[in-house]
Amino acid sequence: SQQGEEDPQALSIQEGENATMNCSYKTSINNLQWYRQNSGRGLVHLILIRSNEREKHSGRLRVTLDTSKKSSSLLITASRAADTASYFCATADSNYQLIWGAGTKLIIKP
Amino acid sequence: DAGVTQSPTHLIKTRGQQVTLRCSPKSGHDTVSWYQQALGQGPQFIFQYYEEEERQRGNFPDRFSGHQFPNYSSELNVNALLLGDSALYLCASSRGQLSGQPQHFGDGTRLSIL
Repeated sequence: SQQGEEDPQALSIQEGENATMNCSYKTSINNLQWYRQNSGRGLVHLILIRSNEREKHSGRLRVTLDTSKKSSSLLITASRAADTASYFCATADSNYQLIWGAGTKLIIKP
Repeated sequence: DAGVTQSPTHLIKTRGQQVTLRCSPKSGHDTVSWYQQALGQGPQFIFQYYEEEERQRGNFPDRFSGHQFPNYSSELNVNALLLGDSALYLCASSRGQLSGQPQHFGDGTRLSIL
């Protein structure tokens, strides 16, 4: 079973625009992680936010975490064609086992 | 510095056969996790190996088994293959069990069952 649910399932925007993806989860977590997956490749870790953190930045990425709503968002600013990929959130439970959502497919149009 | 490597990249089997997939973790990593990813879905956790023992297991039948060697490399074995076992199998490595650290993934083995 999957813990996280990403929203939207698919997102298509123009290059240069910002992209926002959301993740909701069901149980308490130790941390939440976002990964990117290019077609046919493995996943690449983007950012980790701990349960006691509310916001984190890394380059053009901004992640927020609201534990009261059991939700997180990933914002990619000034999108580029190379950002085209699927994005997954994964929550780490009390045993640090990662549970994954189904992902958001992001397409950046030139 | 080599990342996580998996072999083979693609594999075709028939129902009822057995398969072994291999993974070498990133240098310095001692924990290996295996995932199954069906097309269009997120990864599903199969199990995790640390110090040559299975430490955690997801909701997979015992047809799925594994092994970790003293050099930290790992194998995933699947017996009595079913059509539903067709998927991308991903290996991920990290340092230390229960560390909560980000995982480093290989590019996976694409397994097709005919």
